[in-house]
Amino acid sequence: QQQVKQSPQSLIVQKGGISIINCAYENTAFDYFPWYQQFPGKGPALLIAIRPDVSEKKEGRFTISFNKSAKQFSLHIMDSQPGDSATYFCAALGSRLTFGEGTQLTVNP
Amino acid sequence: IAGITQAPTSQILAAGRRMTLRCTQDMRHNAMYWYRQDLGLGLRLIHYSNTAGTTGKGEVPDGYSVSRANTDDFPLTLASAVPSQTSVYFCASSDGAREQFFGPGTRLTVL
Repeated sequence: QQQVKQSPQSLIVQKGGISIINCAYENTAFDYFPWYQQFPGKGPALLIAIRPDVSEKKEGRFTISFNKSAKQFSLHIMDSQPGDSATYFCAALGSRLTFGEGTQLTVNP
Repeated sequence: IAGITQAPTSQILAAGRRMTLRCTQDMRHNAMYWYRQDLGLGLRLIHYSNTAGTTGKGEVPDGYSVSRANTDDFPLTLASAVPSQTSVYFCASSDGAREQFFGPGTRLTVL
């Protein structure tokens, strides 16, 4: 049972565009929602994270939007660059960290 | 600073063979984790250890075992490998804060 659902599975964006990845969760006990970025051949690395008492968090070109009532959160990448091409995982932390299925982002030059 | 090292980088293994994936961290983190990554399924927790001497089962523990004799090392053993264990395996660690740090992974193919 996938407790964190992520979409889309893959995403192609032109350079300078906005990339949007969505996640939904079921367990209301989750209290921390990170996004991890993974480049080919590497392990995932923390990109940005949010707590459920905040509706938005921005770090540079990366923004998390969080909707507690809908149990949904999303990652927005503004001014997407070819160097952003990677796989992105949302996750939710309760007793353990639960990951979404992943989104493979390709930013074309 | 190495962080987390994993060995081997990749391995092709015959079904039925025993295999140990090695993981070592130099950050003195108490908690360590093993995940497997499969396309379309994300990362799934196999086993974890909150501190040296203790281990626990994750979401997909069957066919795998772990030990935590000291803080730095957390090996994952496949007692008798099966083709469904073909995957990329990641070791991670955490100091009790919320961020987990991941190793570079081991790509395992079981034929």
